[in-house]
Amino acid sequence: EIVLTQSPGTLSLSPGERATLSCRASQSMSGTYLAWYQQKPGQAPRLLVYGASSRATGVPDRFSGSGSGTDFTLTISRLEPEDFAVYYCHQIGSSPLTFGGGTKVDI
Amino acid sequence: QVHLVQSGTEVRQPGASVKVSCKASGYPFNSYGFTWVRQAPGQGLEWMGWISGFNGNTNYAQRLQDRLTLTTDSSTSTAYMELRSLGSDDTAVYYCARDQGSNGYSPWGQGTLVSVSS
Repeated sequence: EIVLTQSPGTLSLSPGERATLSCRASQSMSGTYLAWYQQKPGQAPRLLVYGASSRATGVPDRFSGSGSGTDFTLTISRLEPEDFAVYYCHQIGSSPLTFGGGTKVDI
Repeated sequence: QVHLVQSGTEVRQPGASVKVSCKASGYPFNSYGFTWVRQAPGQGLEWMGWISGFNGNTNYAQRLQDRLTLTTDSSTSTAYMELRSLGSDDTAVYYCARDQGSNGYSPWGQGTLVSVSS
């Protein structure tokens, strides 16, 4: 099983700042199968990035994904008020499919 | 516009079963599969399983495969998740999502709360 470890657990930032979220896999994997989701309180998750670096339809370009092998990163270049949420990475390359534990971005 | 609409809140006693529906609209039903994910209160996301919208093939999380059945009904464009022998640790919000393969899960249903309590 591929374990995804996200860090930090909580990121306390202000609007306008840059956020860097990490997702580390317990074994090397193809970035083709790594996605990022955003979840706001009381809402369903929303797809942000797939294939490690491809933005989903409608996702602002301040969100960017990168990485390969075991280390993947989601960057939010300038935080907007609506970006304060929990972010999950998810791998679909190896069964069982797994999610990271999440990073909460708050003010 | 693509939409997934799930059935409403369910309350069950321990040992019972629950069946949650997920009605799709806005795209050819058979062109995509469905993934089911659950989230216990205050916890992260847990992948439960996947079903093809084309031929009904399934892939279940090993820890749930003895109690979980995913099905689809193409005549009503609806996917179903049935979980049996419920325990208190099955209390969670259950989500369906359109599975786009390596292009991720989008959109998601609004979620269905399943509460298991005696």
